[in-house]
Formats: sequence, structure tokens, C-alpha cells
Amino acid sequence: GNSVTQMEGPVTLSEEAFLTINCTYTATGYPSLFWYVQYPGEGLQLLLKATKADDKGSNKGFEATYRKETTSFHLEKGSVQVSDSAVYFCALGFRRDDKIIFGKGTRLHILP
Amino acid sequence: NAGVTQTPKFQVLKTGQSMTLQCAQDMNHNSMYWYRQDPGMGLRLIYYSASEGTTDKGEVPNGYNVSRLNKREFSLRLESAAPSQTSVYFCASRIITGNTIYFGEGSWLTVV
Repeated sequence: GNSVTQMEGPVTLSEEAFLTINCTYTATGYPSLFWYVQYPGEGLQLLLKATKADDKGSNKGFEATYRKETTSFHLEKGSVQVSDSAVYFCALGFRRDDKIIFGKGTRLHILP
Repeated sequence: NAGVTQTPKFQVLKTGQSMTLQCAQDMNHNSMYWYRQDPGMGLRLIYYSASEGTTDKGEVPNGYNVSRLNKREFSLRLESAAPSQTSVYFCASRIITGNTIYFGEGSWLTVV
């Protein structure tokens, strides 16, 4: 079946550090891939997405590249800020199917 | 710009009581979803509706019922609440061809 696996948290970094949150997927076919972010007390909101292999999604300094050969979609940011503290969810979905499958989320703490 | 609106935001129920979580979207989306979020479990799909008049079970439907009242509204009902249903519930919607899913702000439910 289709699934998403992401690194367990929490991840704690100092401000201005480099961030990587790993995400790998298992899927039949060619899904679209997403990163969602959840700030404390809020719902999830789309951070970035990629719809086909080798596409790079980017937003707010975050980037992720759709790697079909390694079935991965790792989230990166060159210099994190305290305001980036949140829970990050990797997800996949297909146009043919109404379900979006989420990973379990990775909590990120950024220390000033 | 309302997006996805869900009510109530907080609710405390006694075991055995019933209640309905309401959700409405103003984006003319076809698909609507109910998820629950629990620590360490990520997001799990309860029910979804691909279009007005249709509903389908997700990963964890037991103990819940849903109604797609019209294109805008999708309600989630707990007929006899149990402590295991203590969770944060999220309603979401998407344009069927767009693949991006939009979330409400969540409903915090405690069953005592």
C-alpha cells in the first residue's frame, strides 16, 4: 500500500542552523508530494509541493526535491529561525484518488 | 477569506454523550475530509466525501458517522462518545483536480 515515513522528532536546532527533515514514501504509481506545517494551536497549512520527479518545491526558504530513484522528498532550509518551530508533515496524494496520506509528523524546536 | 471553518473549537463531553462537529468551506471544493490527530500517530483519516451525496470510510471510522449536507458542509457525529475519542479533529477540503488540501483550525474534543 501507499505510505509515508518521516524522521521521528523532536528535532532541536539552534537559530541559523541548517535543517533537514527526512521523508521517504512507498507508492504505486506517481504521486504528488507535499510538506505541510502546523504551528501551535493551528491547523495544517501547505508549505510546498512537487507533482513530478525532479521537481523542486520551495517556499519561505524551505526546499524539497522529488527524488523518484530514492523515493524521497526531504525538507531542507539553510538557516532556521525561532519562528520555524512547528510540526512538519510529509504527505502524498494521487489525482485519481481522494485520499491524502500523511506521515506522523516531525516536531521542530529552534532555540534562540 | 474564511476557507474551512469548523465548530466548536473546544468541547468536553461525558462518556456516552453525543455531539456533532460542523464543517463548512467556501472555496467551492468537491472533496471534504475529517481527520483526527493524536500524539505519536500523526493524522488519521476518519471519513471523506468525494462529492455531494457520497461518503466513504477512511482509516479509523468506527464510532463516527458523517453527513455531506450539501457541497459546502460536512459534519462528523459521535453517537456515543468514548474516552478513546479524545483527540483534535480537523476538517479539510480540496479541489478534486488540484491535489492541495486545505485545513480548518481544529476542534479539541475531550471525553471524560
